[in-house]
Amino acid sequence: NAGVTQTPKFQVLKTGQSMTLQCAQDMNHEYMSWYRQDPGMGLRLIHYSVGAGITDQGEVPNGYNVSRSTTEDFPLRLLSAAPSQTSVYFCASHTGFSGELFFGEGSRLTVL
Amino acid sequence: GQQVMQIPQYQHVQEGEDFTTYCNSSTTLSNIQWYKQRPGGHPVFLIQLVKSGEVKKQKRLTFQFGEAKKNSSLHITATQTTDVGTYFCAPPLSGNQFYFGTGTSLTVIP
Repeated sequence: NAGVTQTPKFQVLKTGQSMTLQCAQDMNHEYMSWYRQDPGMGLRLIHYSVGAGITDQGEVPNGYNVSRSTTEDFPLRLLSAAPSQTSVYFCASHTGFSGELFFGEGSRLTVL
Repeated sequence: GQQVMQIPQYQHVQEGEDFTTYCNSSTTLSNIQWYKQRPGGHPVFLIQLVKSGEVKKQKRLTFQFGEAKKNSSLHITATQTTDVGTYFCAPPLSGNQFYFGTGTSLTVIP
């Protein structure tokens, strides 16, 4: 099993550009989520999904869109990148509030 | 809403010294998880605590869940350079999601 796979690992964007961070898991987990990590801010929840076709907002959803068309995939879209979105993004999956979170290796995004 | 504080935010220790990080909640928690993130890495699950007053050990790491299930701690005995990283407590939020605060960044000086 590969676990949780994120691509790309690194990306540089210009302000106003759009892009999608990909996340895939092969553990058949119902729950998937996206976090961003900034220095001194810890991990903050952006969006999450409790199953295919169901998504919801976390703490910091503005500027990001998600969809969950399959159990395996949970892409994060930046429609118009801003410098404030420069961060490290982590995707995670789990089986419920009693299950451990499995994280991807992260995607480091820089917006100029 | 739920308020969870983890302290300290940073800790420097000499190798061989002990280290403790505390997680305090304003509300009763159903459970709490702990994660470790090495520098440049991703968070990795350490343990989950569920029962009031629960104590669990993993080699030099001791995890406690308070009697009122509002606080938790992670204690490392005789730190080693391999313990370097950020330790997060992660209580559950609604929607089967987890809250990760700022964590405690541990530096071990050889």
